[in-house]
Amino acid sequence: DTGVSQDPRHKITKRGQNVTFRCDPISEHNRLYWYRQTLGQGPEFLTYFQNEAQLEKSRLLSDRFSAERPKGSFSTLEIQRTEQGDSAMYLCASLGSPDTQYFGPGTRLTVL
Amino acid sequence: AQSVTQLDSQVPVFEEAPVELRCNYSSSVSVYLFWYVQYPNQGLQLLLKYLSGSTLVESINGFEAEFNKSQTSFHLRKPSVHISDTAEYFCAVSENNAGNMLTFGGGTRLMVKP
Repeated sequence: DTGVSQDPRHKITKRGQNVTFRCDPISEHNRLYWYRQTLGQGPEFLTYFQNEAQLEKSRLLSDRFSAERPKGSFSTLEIQRTEQGDSAMYLCASLGSPDTQYFGPGTRLTVL
Repeated sequence: AQSVTQLDSQVPVFEEAPVELRCNYSSSVSVYLFWYVQYPNQGLQLLLKYLSGSTLVESINGFEAEFNKSQTSFHLRKPSVHISDTAEYFCAVSENNAGNMLTFGGGTRLMVKP
């Protein structure tokens, strides 16, 4: 059990650029979640997948955000036309038994 | 909709003193409750959880939390803290049979002083 991994750990980009993050869940975990955490705040739910199906999206997930999990294993989160307000830690988690989420180390995005 | 309130944003305490980090939630259905700990520039680590059964749950490093349904609380306690306990602590709730999405409180920064 290698844990949830995320790549990259840090990303610095200029406003207007597109960025993509990857999350590899714990193997055989069917549910995968994305959260966003801004400085000094608790994480906020963005979206989650059951296998390859995206089952729920938060209102926080604007049209510039898209998430995929094409083969039901790893997931990607893409942000198009980044804005300074997108600067945050993006956390991924997978759901183990029973009913417990295990988090990755996060990807810290800085938009200049 | 569910919500979580952590009443204290910061809790300073001396080493070896007891500590309580408060967490209250609101929900119209039954819930699962969690405490996660976050060290600087890292992800969240599960500290302890309440899913069912005994309302008092414990972690391997001396923390405990008690689910109080009537008070809708899940306060975290430790009888004697160490410097290494300095971190941000998050209380979270998920509603049963609702996709297991977590709603987090704003966090409490525990600062243990020598």
